[in-house]
Amino acid sequence: GEDVEQSLFLSVREGDSSVINCTYTDSSSTYLYWYKQEPGAGLQLLTYIFSNMDMKQDQRLTVLLNKKDKHLSLRIADTQTGDSAIYFCAESKDTGGFKTIFGAGTRLFVKA
Amino acid sequence: EAQVTQNPRYLITVTGKKLTVTCSQNMNHEYMSWYRQDPGLGLRQIYYSMNVEVTDKGDVPEGYKVSRKEKRNFPLILESPSPNQTSLYFCASSLRTRFGGELFFGEGSRLTVL
Repeated sequence: GEDVEQSLFLSVREGDSSVINCTYTDSSSTYLYWYKQEPGAGLQLLTYIFSNMDMKQDQRLTVLLNKKDKHLSLRIADTQTGDSAIYFCAESKDTGGFKTIFGAGTRLFVKA
Repeated sequence: EAQVTQNPRYLITVTGKKLTVTCSQNMNHEYMSWYRQDPGLGLRQIYYSMNVEVTDKGDVPEGYKVSRKEKRNFPLILESPSPNQTSLYFCASSLRTRFGGELFFGEGSRLTVL
C-alpha cells in the first residue's frame, strides 16, 4: 500500500519539545519530507531526509528515520506559539512519474 | 519573487456550472500538480504534469480536467461541479530530480459547490 499515517492532533506547552510521528509503508521511498501548513496558507517544506540517513538536525528541528520500522519523526525543541500549524509527513518515490504521498497532517497546538 | 499563484482564492458556485481554477508558476519548473485537501484525508493528488503537453491522472481525477499548453500554467477545470468537489485545492510545482524534489505550493483555492 501507499499509506502515510500520522496522528491528527498534538498539544504541547510553550517551551516543551514536540514530537510528531509518522509511519509509511513503501520501503523504496527515496526522500521523506516534513511540510508545514500555517492557517490560510499553502504547504511549505520544513525539512527532509534522504532514505539512507538515520538522523538530520536543523536548528530546533530533529528528524529521525527508522527504515526497519518505516517510522519517521519530527522533534521541535523549545516549541513556540508560532509553531502552531499542521505538519504533513510525505514520502517521495520514483514510480516513473514521481509521486509524493502525503499523510493526513498533524495539527500542533501550542499552549502559552 | 518565486511563487505559485492560484486564482480564485475563494469561489462559491452551483452544481453544474463549469469553472476553471488557474495556476501559474514563475520558477520554470517542469513538474506541476493539483491536490485537494479534505479534513482527515490530507492531500490527495488530482492530476499532475511532467512537462508541457504531458499530463497524467493522480489518485482522484474523476470530475476534473487539466491542460498544460505552456510551461508556467496548469489550469484545473471542473466541467460540471458537484457538491462532493467542495474542497480546498492546491497547485504545486517542482524542479524534479531523479529522486524527488521540493514541492512549492500556491496559497490554495477554497471551492464551495452548492
